[in-house]
Amino acid sequence: DIQMTQSPSSLSASVGDRITITCRASQGISNYLAWFQQKPGKAPKSLIYAASNLQSGVPSKFSGSGSGTDFTLSISSLQPEDFATYYCQQYKSYPRTFGQGTKVEIK
Amino acid sequence: EVQLVESGGALVQPGGSLRLSCAASGFTVSDNYMSWVRQAPGKGLEWVSVIYSGGSTYYTDSVKGRFTISRHNFKNTLYLQMNSLRPEDTAVYYCATGAANDYWGQGTQVTVSS
Repeated sequence: DIQMTQSPSSLSASVGDRITITCRASQGISNYLAWFQQKPGKAPKSLIYAASNLQSGVPSKFSGSGSGTDFTLSISSLQPEDFATYYCQQYKSYPRTFGQGTKVEIK
Repeated sequence: EVQLVESGGALVQPGGSLRLSCAASGFTVSDNYMSWVRQAPGKGLEWVSVIYSGGSTYYTDSVKGRFTISRHNFKNTLYLQMNSLRPEDTAVYYCATGAANDYWGQGTQVTVSS
């Protein structure tokens, strides 16, 4: 199985900050990487697919990059609605696997 | 507009069975890649199963032989038949569509407990 490791597991940031979350795959997955946002009690929402492609309707403050084993999700100008938990997921092989999540909290 | 609505979650005893449904609108289930993903209380996301448009299916190891993914083309609905349920199957179950899980339903709660 491909292990997905996110870092950090949590972070505190202020409104207006820019943050970066890292996701590392235990083996190469090309660009078969998606990012999701989940708020408490809600379903996950897709933000990015194929490592760097923004889903329709997702604001351009979200951006993704990377290929192979190392990936990043960046969020610029954090707003109150961006405080949530973020997950990466590989869809290169089975079983599909998620990172453990990164909780973004208000400082 | 793509919409997914799960139902069928309940409290069930260990060893019991349950069938989850995911009613889709705005697209055709049988033409798309459909998945089930679950989330145990306070935990992260765990992929469970997928069915391809061609009918191929895959499962995570912990549910192989116990869960079956299927679809009803006329009803445009995805299912997850869950047998021999265990306490560790307790979770919110989500259906999702797209290879990258582009769209998700709101989830349905499954609790396995005596």
